[in-house]
Amino acid sequence: KAGVTQTPRYLIKTRGQQVTLSCSPISGHRSVSWYQQTPGQGLQFLFEYFSETQRNKGNFPGRFSGRQFSNSRSEMNVSTLELGDSALYLCASSLQGPGYEQYFGPGTRLTVT
Amino acid sequence: AQTVTQSQPEMSVQEAETVTLSCTYDTSESDYYLFWYKQPPSRQMILVIRQEAYKQQNATENRFSVNFQKAAKSFSLKISDSQLGDAAMYFCAYRIHQTGANNLFFGTGTRLTVIP
Repeated sequence: KAGVTQTPRYLIKTRGQQVTLSCSPISGHRSVSWYQQTPGQGLQFLFEYFSETQRNKGNFPGRFSGRQFSNSRSEMNVSTLELGDSALYLCASSLQGPGYEQYFGPGTRLTVT
Repeated sequence: AQTVTQSQPEMSVQEAETVTLSCTYDTSESDYYLFWYKQPPSRQMILVIRQEAYKQQNATENRFSVNFQKAAKSFSLKISDSQLGDAAMYFCAYRIHQTGANNLFFGTGTRLTVIP
């Protein structure tokens, strides 16, 4: 079974631009979560989608948004990029239910200049 | 608020030796899960081991085992017979047992170096 895939793997954007990152979960996984990883703040939860609905949200500004499609693929969008948005963005998928592990993708490295 | 603390930013171990990574957490929940994830230089986060809070028996996965002390809110990872491939960042993580609350709370990580 294929793992979680994320595209693109690397991205360079300019301050003020917007960006969209994509995540394809493991087949059969309907829950997709997004995390931001930075050297200063560590790993922080952004949001989770399940069955096309945002089910949980971390403490991030409204510039960070996401969505999930009927095939469970998910996208996250960051508008009006700031230098501090430079980070590794990780996507994780899991089966429904609190007892299931999250499987992570390789991440998208976003650099904002 | 749930917090996870890893007090060892860096650790090193000789190949074939044993090393223990520490993790403490703070929660008011009684039912939850604890995890250790490994992140090698390739950045892919890999689950090493998990522990359900309601289970008193410590989880074991081959060379990896945990020491779960629920009352002390402590969850350490022991790596036996360390191998060069064990070199990575190790993150301790916590999640409550609740449908719809899939988010993980991570510690700041411990960088493990394996010395040949």
